Amino acid sequence: SYELTQPPSVSVSPGQTASITCSGDKLGDKYASWYRQKPGQSPVLVIYEDTKRPSGIPERFSGSNSGNTATLTISATQPMDEGDYYCQAWDSSAVVFGGGTKLTVL
Amino acid sequence: EVQLVESGGGLAQPGGSLRLSCAASGFTFSSYEMNWVRQTPGKGLEWVSYMSGSGNTIYYADSVKGRFTISRDNAKNSLYLQMNSLRAEDTAIYYCVREGIAATDTSFDFWGQGTLVTVSS
Repeated sequence: SYELTQPPSVSVSPGQTASITCSGDKLGDKYASWYRQKPGQSPVLVIYEDTKRPSGIPERFSGSNSGNTATLTISATQPMDEGDYYCQAWDSSAVVFGGGTKLTVL
Repeated sequence: EVQLVESGGGLAQPGGSLRLSCAASGFTFSSYEMNWVRQTPGKGLEWVSYMSGSGNTIYYADSVKGRFTISRDNAKNSLYLQMNSLRAEDTAIYYCVREGIAATDTSFDFWGQGTLVTVSS
């Protein structure tokens, strides 16, 4: 079955750029989406169709997807950006999520 | 305002059944593909099932195939998940999730607050 691999954790200083990767076989041939989940809350979509931002998501969130890797980039990271980030893609007739990356801003 | 409100969670015994419901409002429910996604507390997200807007196309994760049944009633703006032969590993928060409306949009653009299912004797 298809798998998406994310680093378990990423740390970044406030104001710096955070990058979270998501790897899967020929992932660049699929659309990748990204979600942020804060403790006790439901996930929120932050990037869809590789690069698009839903309304209400700040411009500092951006995405890319090529080859085997999709990347979520958060510029000028703020403490409010902390949380668990998940990538997601469809493979055939199933949805796959990455294992999640805990973003710490310190 | 878009709302997805799940209900029906609770405690079930191994081998037992539960039926989850999701009441949708604030959008044209029949136009949207819908999914169930679950999350074991403290763990990651796991997709469970998909249903097209018309109900004609259905997919399941291998882990629930043959035990869970997704359905919808567009007249009642509701999505359902019938869960049979429950196992301890089905214990999780179950989210009702809307899929993006564009033909190319495969993202999950709105999530309910979730309902907790606990399978234990």
